[in-house]
Amino acid sequence: EDQVTQSPEALRLQEGESSSLNCSYTVSGLRGLFWYRQDPGKGPEFLFTLYSAGEEKEKERLKATLTKKESFLHITAPKPEDSATYLCAGRSGKLIFGQGTTLQVKP
Amino acid sequence: DAMVIQNPRYQVTQFGKPVTLSCSQTLNHNVMYWYQQKSSQAPKLLFHYYDKDFNNEADTPDNFQSRRPNTSFCFLDIRSPGLGDAAMYLCATSRDDQTQYFGPGTRLLVL
Repeated sequence: EDQVTQSPEALRLQEGESSSLNCSYTVSGLRGLFWYRQDPGKGPEFLFTLYSAGEEKEKERLKATLTKKESFLHITAPKPEDSATYLCAGRSGKLIFGQGTTLQVKP
Repeated sequence: DAMVIQNPRYQVTQFGKPVTLSCSQTLNHNVMYWYQQKSSQAPKLLFHYYDKDFNNEADTPDNFQSRRPNTSFCFLDIRSPGLGDAAMYLCATSRDDQTQYFGPGTRLLVL
């Protein structure tokens, strides 16, 4: 059965304290690994798509990487406005979402 | 700006009273999806339209129906809402089932 697992469930960081979010996946015939940001009460906002192991993508303080079993979302020198839930999803046919990591960045 | 729009943003209905949620898009995408997301849970796909073809998930209750009258609009009908149907309903669109772009969601409360 296809599955996506994210860790940790919650993460608290001080402003400027870099860290990484993990997304482990077992998705047969993976056709893309997606990262979304979701703010409370809003829809997910697309961040990145990764298609093959070794691929990396960056956007401001965020960098996503992909291996054959995992994806990481690295956050460098986070700011309070980076606080949100980050969702990872693998796609074979449909998107298989993880439960998300809720990030809180304190000033 | 091209976008996905959902109306209303908040909907209160009574137990058993039919309700319709709407989604429109200006992205000219040919695939539209409806997801249900309960508190602190991952979004759960209910169904999607690929062009005019309707694709229902096997575990989507019969209580949930959808209509897509044209490329830009898609509706979610809940025929007899129960308390367990209270959730955020998310509409998403994509071009040929590639990256999905989500709307802001409609939060449904069932009294």
